[in-house]
Amino acid sequence: DAKTTQPPSMDCAEGRAANLPCNHSTISGNEYVYWYRQIHSQGPQYIIHGLKNNETNEMASLIITEDRKSSTLILPHATLRDTAVYYCIVPRTGRRALTFGSGTRLQVQP
Amino acid sequence: GAVVSQHPSWVICKSGTSVKIECRSLDFQATTMFWYRQFPKQSLMLMATSNEGSKATYEQGVEKDKFLINHASLTLSTLTVTSAHPEDSSFYICSARVRNTEETQYFGPGTRLLVL
Repeated sequence: DAKTTQPPSMDCAEGRAANLPCNHSTISGNEYVYWYRQIHSQGPQYIIHGLKNNETNEMASLIITEDRKSSTLILPHATLRDTAVYYCIVPRTGRRALTFGSGTRLQVQP
Repeated sequence: GAVVSQHPSWVICKSGTSVKIECRSLDFQATTMFWYRQFPKQSLMLMATSNEGSKATYEQGVEKDKFLINHASLTLSTLTVTSAHPEDSSFYICSARVRNTEETQYFGPGTRLLVL
């Protein structure tokens, strides 16, 4: 998978927006950016993915820069239940499995 | 959304015994499933790729004779840990790939294995 870089940890106040950055400067033109999160002792949960355009669903928004070398996952109103490790993954074309890095540990503070 | 289940959610067994873990895609068909393992304070590591009707593909360093994978139907893959030892104690997680353009993967809740 394309190499991604994420900050190891972030804090966010409950009710505030959480903005999680990811750098993926080696991304190719047809590779998607995926975001998953893993809450303690659970399997990873799919959040959102995108190719070029910004995307929004019921969980989050994904902002991808025009050059596609970085992206930001936005949780608009973070709650305590959003405390988790968030993974930004760019699967290589043709490689079906996902490679998990260290991710960003988001701690939502009351 | 797509739902993947695993059974059991946790299991404790004696050293030398075998343990079978089931992974099911509940509302979609999955021609490809994946098995991951996660040790404490570490990230997920891919163990093998399971293809329906064919042999699994194992990652380097994963013993295929120890971790038996069967993908007999489009909704079920099983992982059997044979002759389990304490070092096999881990969190085992499966995922299934949805057959759409983006091939999104959905993960099961995981199975925690403790070998005594």
